[in-house]
Amino acid sequence: DAKTTQPNSMESNEEEPVHLPCNHSTISGTDYIHWYRQLPSQGPEYVIHGLTSNVNNRMASLAIAEDRKSSTLILHRATLRDAAVYYCSWGNYGGATNKLIFGTGTLLAVQP
Amino acid sequence: DVKVTQSSRYLVKRTGEKVFLECVQDMDHENMFWYRQDPGLGLRLIYFSYDVKMKEKGDIPEGYSVSREKKERFSLILESASTNQTSMYLCASSPSTRANYGYTFGSGTRLTVV
Repeated sequence: DAKTTQPNSMESNEEEPVHLPCNHSTISGTDYIHWYRQLPSQGPEYVIHGLTSNVNNRMASLAIAEDRKSSTLILHRATLRDAAVYYCSWGNYGGATNKLIFGTGTLLAVQP
Repeated sequence: DVKVTQSSRYLVKRTGEKVFLECVQDMDHENMFWYRQDPGLGLRLIYFSYDVKMKEKGDIPEGYSVSREKKERFSLILESASTNQTSMYLCASSPSTRANYGYTFGSGTRLTVV
């Protein structure tokens, strides 16, 4: 059964790095790993995605394990605005089965 | 800026009513999705569509149906609403199945069935 596992909650201090882990042990070789975040009263927002290599963008970095069964979202300097629920997901892009499988999310609290 | 709009932010319906949740995207995206979000369960896929009039069941389709008559609009239908369908419903879209892009989500519709 397809599954994504994340810790329920994490805490960080402002301006410190945050590493959010995710296990996706049933992922296949062509499935992309995506991360989204959800602020209160909003829909999820795309953060970053990758396949095999580590990825960076203006919001975060994504580190993907060599066996691709886990990944880590890295926020380099947490701010109060980063307090949100972070969802790890993975999906197969191809044919008619383009769909993302989401985890239950990690609630990130950022302390000033 | 790309946008996915869900017609209602909050809805209250009675048990047994037929309920329509509407979603419109302005990005000419091929794919559209309906998820429901419940505490402790994350996002679960109900249905998705990869083209006009094409649809596929997700992980929890029971009690729901969908309609996609135009590319930009994807409707979720609760044929006979029940209290266990009280939830947050999220619509999303993404470009071609062969592209590697993220999803754009709407703000959600919180449905309460009484």
